[in-house]
Amino acid sequence: GNSVTQMEGPVTLSEEAFLTINCTYTATGYPSLFWYVQYPGEGLQLLLKATKADDKGSNKGFEATYRKETTSFHLEKGSVQVSDSAVYFCALRIYNNNDMRFGAGTRLTVKP
Amino acid sequence: DAEITQSPRHKITETGRQVTLACHQTWNHNNMFWYRQDLGHGLRLIHYSYGVHDTNKGEVSDGYSVSRSNTEDLPLTLESAASSQTSVYFCASSVVQAFGTQYFGPGTRLTVL
Repeated sequence: GNSVTQMEGPVTLSEEAFLTINCTYTATGYPSLFWYVQYPGEGLQLLLKATKADDKGSNKGFEATYRKETTSFHLEKGSVQVSDSAVYFCALRIYNNNDMRFGAGTRLTVKP
Repeated sequence: DAEITQSPRHKITETGRQVTLACHQTWNHNNMFWYRQDLGHGLRLIHYSYGVHDTNKGEVSDGYSVSRSNTEDLPLTLESAASSQTSVYFCASSVVQAFGTQYFGPGTRLTVL
């Protein structure tokens, strides 16, 4: 089946630290991969996505590369800010299939 | 601006009662989805619809139903609420594309006592 596993949180970092949140997936077919972010009290917002192997998604200083050989889509940011504190979800969707599978979410807290 | 809204934002009900959560989008998206969010499980798909009069079961559909009478709305009904259905519920919509991004509403926090 299709599933996503992401590192458990919570993750606490100091401002300007480097961030990595690991995400691996299992999929039948050809998945597209997503990172969503959820700020307190809000719904999920798309952060970035990649639709084929070796694609790199990037947005707001965050990056993730679709690695087919390791079935991974790790989220990285070189220097986090307090405003990046949120819950981050990795997700996948199979081509032409609207059924998305989400990871359990990783809560990030950035301290000044 | 186009948007997706949910109502109510918070709801407390009793076991056995019927509850309906509303979802309304103004993007004219054909696809609409309902998820529940529980600690440790991320988001799990309850039901989804690809268009008017179309509905499909998701991963955790037992105890829930939806109907799609127009493009804008996909109400979610709990026929007989159970304590296990205490959760945060998110509605989402997307265009009909292979990699169409899903846009999420702000969520409804439901407590079943």
